[in-house]
Amino acid sequence: AQSVTQPDIHITVSEGASLELRCNYSYGATPYLFWYVQSPGQGLQLLLKYFSGDTLVQGIKGFEAEFKRSQSSFNLRKPSVHWSDAAEYFCAVGARGVTGGGNKLTFGTGTQLKVEL
Amino acid sequence: DGGITQSPKYLFRKEGQNVTLSCEQNLNHDAMYWYRQDPGQGLRLIYYSQIVNDFQKGDIAEGYSVSREKKESFPLTVTSAQKNPTAFYLCASSILGGLDTQYFGPGTRLTVL
Repeated sequence: AQSVTQPDIHITVSEGASLELRCNYSYGATPYLFWYVQSPGQGLQLLLKYFSGDTLVQGIKGFEAEFKRSQSSFNLRKPSVHWSDAAEYFCAVGARGVTGGGNKLTFGTGTQLKVEL
Repeated sequence: DGGITQSPKYLFRKEGQNVTLSCEQNLNHDAMYWYRQDPGQGLRLIYYSQIVNDFQKGDIAEGYSVSREKKESFPLTVTSAQKNPTAFYLCASSILGGLDTQYFGPGTRLTVL
């Protein structure tokens, strides 16, 4: 079974500073990887996804992520954080269902980002 | 506008009562999903459905039931058998087949008193 680890529960950065959120996954085959963002009391919005091809993926709001197979990682980065980026960020890995088809996402426990002005 | 709607946004129920959460999508997606979110635990899959009249249990299906009579609708019933139902519930949908992006609704916060 697949799993996702986000080792940082909380991260605080200053506005304008760079950001890196860590994500490590465990999956036997080529993973499908996602980063979502959630504002308080809201649903999740997709930031970016990796299915195949170029290992550096560009997303919305200036975010990017790099797939590193050797490290089983898919870290999210942003060169300059804005106060509006404060939210919770979730990494997810996708895998086909074992029985009866079906596509399942397994989510990490999330990283709460705080931005200091 | 296309999207996913969940209603109500907040729901309060007494212990021992069944309650049904609504999820509707007009994205013409075949697959729909229900997740439960608790602080510090990420999202956990309750049920998912690939096509009408078919659904599969997720990781934490006990105490929940679903139906999929229409492509657009995937209601979730939280039964009295669910031991700790207070949580934030998220519905999502995606195109059938492949690991396409799941699009999420705004969520329903259920509080059992």
